[in-house]
Amino acid sequence: GENVEQHPSTLSVQEGDSAVIKCTYSDSASNYFPWYKQELGKGPQLIIDIRSNVGEKKDQRIAVTLNKTAKHFSLHITETQPEDSAVYFCAARRGNNDMRFGAGTRLTVKP
Amino acid sequence: NAGVTQTPKFQVLKTGQSMTLQCAQDMNHEYMSWYRQDPGMGLRLIHYSVGAGITDQGEVPNGYNVSRSTTEDFPLRLLSAAPSQTSVYFCASSYRAGIYNEQFFGPGTRLTVL
Repeated sequence: GENVEQHPSTLSVQEGDSAVIKCTYSDSASNYFPWYKQELGKGPQLIIDIRSNVGEKKDQRIAVTLNKTAKHFSLHITETQPEDSAVYFCAARRGNNDMRFGAGTRLTVKP
Repeated sequence: NAGVTQTPKFQVLKTGQSMTLQCAQDMNHEYMSWYRQDPGMGLRLIHYSVGAGITDQGEVPNGYNVSRSTTEDFPLRLLSAAPSQTSVYFCASSYRAGIYNEQFFGPGTRLTVL
């Protein structure tokens, strides 16, 4: 089955700096890659996603890049703010019911 | 809309006890699923349902049962709780089954089995 690895497990940045979280996947049949943000005491919430036929997608301060050849994708957050502090999960999906998640990255943005 | 709701928020069980985690959604979503979240690991799919009356197993189904008698509700049953089932459980729903359909997650139930 699919295996998704996520790095780093913790990340601390200064407010205004950029943050990058990287994920790799093993199954070349995976073709959908969502990113979730989980705030304390809440469920994960989709923040951005990318399909396999797209190399990059941007939504305001958040961007995701995908390299299908290397089987890795990354989340980029620019101009970080304290409210960006949360746990971020990447995931890879190859079918309707087969989505595998990374272990998560705890991002702390220091004011 | 309330979205996806889960009850209870917290639960402590003794080994061997049974219980049902409740999940409901008011968005008329066809697809519902249950995940567990353990420290240092991503969410893992337990069971899912593509519509009322239809359920199937996910990645880690052992020790859990589900049913889907209505579109709105998707309860998860632990028949005989074990310490290995200590986890945070999330219910999720999406408009329908489909690789690109966004999943909406509930707030979770934190379960401890002693």
